[in-house]
Amino acid sequence: QVQLQESGPGLVKPSETLSLTCTVSGSSVTSFFWNWIRQPPGKGLQWIGHIYDSGTTNYNPSLTSRVTMSVDTSKSHFSLRLTSVTAADTAIYYCAAGGYSGHHSWGQGTLVTVSS
Amino acid sequence: SYVLTQPPSVSVAPGQTASITCGGNNIVRKSVHWYQQRPGQAPVLVVFDDRDRPSGIPERFSGSHSGNTATLTITRVEVGDEADYYCQVWDTSTDHWVFGGGTKVTVL
Repeated sequence: QVQLQESGPGLVKPSETLSLTCTVSGSSVTSFFWNWIRQPPGKGLQWIGHIYDSGTTNYNPSLTSRVTMSVDTSKSHFSLRLTSVTAADTAIYYCAAGGYSGHHSWGQGTLVTVSS
Repeated sequence: SYVLTQPPSVSVAPGQTASITCGGNNIVRKSVHWYQQRPGQAPVLVVFDDRDRPSGIPERFSGSHSGNTATLTITRVEVGDEADYYCQVWDTSTDHWVFGGGTKVTVL
């Protein structure tokens, strides 16, 4: 069973860069697509993007200019960077694993607040 | 880009059947996945590839689709089924995942 755990700062200043890491256990990062999904308070789910172990990425078109994902297979983790954040980026950020049959494993989520 | 439309809310009495719809253009041609999100928790995959269930998901949860609508059906609804439910598809035209807006299921 794949287990995922997000980590990173809970508070980021406007215009700065949000950086999160997802640590994977119970599976190799050489399997599956590794996803980032976010959920603003009281709102629905938004897929941010995913990365495969080869480094191939797909990003949500609405965020692609600000998003970078990377994967470190030796350390069993993958990462998210989101630049030039605003209050609209305040959300619970989830990492999730899966393929084209959906995301079968999720982290517990981490709340990131954008505020000065 | 591809849009999935869900009703904001559905109410159902315990023991009855809840049907949650997900509308999308020619959705029958796509594989639809469904997630349950209880308050304060991460989403959980309850149906994948239109009608398959991950291990541990009760048979009370089932999926179907035809034409422009996919449906998640929950039979013999329990209080513990009260949650938000999201549908999801892979948009092959833009190579990204799309979620529906979510449906809040209230068990009366």
